[in-house]
Amino acid sequence: DAGVIQSPRHEVTEMGQEVTLRCKPISGHDYLFWYRQTMMRGLELLIYFNNNVPIDDSGMPEDRFSAKMPNASFSTLKIQPSEPRDSAVYFCASRPTGRSIGANVLTFGAGSRLTVL
Amino acid sequence: GIQVEQSPPDLILQEGANSTLRCNFSDSVNNLQWFHQNPWGQLINLFYIPSGTKQNGRLSATTVATERYSLLYISSSQTTDSGVYFCAVRNTGFQKLVFGTGTRLLVSP
Repeated sequence: DAGVIQSPRHEVTEMGQEVTLRCKPISGHDYLFWYRQTMMRGLELLIYFNNNVPIDDSGMPEDRFSAKMPNASFSTLKIQPSEPRDSAVYFCASRPTGRSIGANVLTFGAGSRLTVL
Repeated sequence: GIQVEQSPPDLILQEGANSTLRCNFSDSVNNLQWFHQNPWGQLINLFYIPSGTKQNGRLSATTVATERYSLLYISSSQTTDSGVYFCAVRNTGFQKLVFGTGTRLLVSP
């Protein structure tokens, strides 16, 4: 398996522009999580999906952020309009459902480093 | 929400030394994982260990769930062990994994 695939790996944009980050979870994993990592706040959960349905978006900082999962193999995190304080590394992670040990282990993508000027 | 504290925040070791990293959490958990974030930013799962002890090569981990802490042991450290070590926990009845602030480890040759 290729693991969790994120794109782009790096994004530099100007304030006010729309940013779209993409994630392809591991096939068969029905939980998908979006995390953000900053020096000030560490790793924080933004939103997670189960079977393509958003379950908890309480970590989404504000209305400028939105996330979708149109099918089991694709999710997007969109920021519109972007601001300099959105600069961070955004991670996508996935895991399967079930009672096996593997069902409890989160697998992370390589992350998307966003810089908003 | 649940609080996760890690200590020490920073650690510098000479290659070959041993170390112990600690994770304290404020509530009962049914899931605890240790991750290593390498210098390239990749987060790699080291252990899933909600209770008990596990070993994987030079690394081992112990979780005492009743006392709400977990320990990660690194023996005979190598420069490739450098990076940030995170503990992450999940409350019973919840799905989200909450991360600690991490321990930054530097192993010098």
